[in-house]
Amino acid sequence: QVTLKESGPVLVKPTETLTLTCTVSGFSLSNARMGVSWIRQPPGKALEWLAHIFSNDEKSYSTSLKSRLTISKDTSKSQVVLTMTNMDPVDTATYYCARIVGAISWYFDLWGRGTLVTVSS
Amino acid sequence: QSVLTQPPSASGTPGQRVTISCSGSSSNIGSNTVNWYQQLPGTAPKLLIYSNNQRPSGVPDRFSGSKSGTSASLAISGLQSEDEADYYCAAWDDSLNGPPWVFGGGTKLTVL
Repeated sequence: QVTLKESGPVLVKPTETLTLTCTVSGFSLSNARMGVSWIRQPPGKALEWLAHIFSNDEKSYSTSLKSRLTISKDTSKSQVVLTMTNMDPVDTATYYCARIVGAISWYFDLWGRGTLVTVSS
Repeated sequence: QSVLTQPPSASGTPGQRVTISCSGSSSNIGSNTVNWYQQLPGTAPKLLIYSNNQRPSGVPDRFSGSKSGTSASLAISGLQSEDEADYYCAAWDDSLNGPPWVFGGGTKLTVL
């Protein structure tokens, strides 16, 4: 069974750095034509793509958040880590990780349950 | 402001057919496939349609997708109360100055 599970702090203070971990099972982060994305959703708002990393270590970031984001993976631990610096209350959201698959075109086929992160002093 | 444009709301009665539109541009929908996600209240999004019109295993054939030019549509026939959810379209974007993935703003479907 393929699963993704997000973990990290529930509450962070403004200006702090957020570190989120996505632990996957049922597949390997080294599988060809697979990757993992981070996507967030502020309360009551739409989905916003943040970053992705593929099995070949190719990475990409949201244009507006690029300076604050870093994504990495540890294949041996089956984990993908996202760090976001200088957190602000507007970053309060549920953060999801999702698997990327595709033969001809890419799509997110499976999502984690998400983790709600609140930014407040 | 989402890159892909969806109507904020849609509604229908049980048994009806409803459609949700998703409008983009030549760099996203116009040159790449469209995917649709269903988000039931309080849950994570779930893949509903991929590659414009393909249904993952387990998704009822009441759900169908189509694409024409820079627009796409999700159709739900035989509407059921359990279909009440938020629906999001998404696509890869080839724009050099934008993110590779773009989403619509979501459509809240109400079953009357």
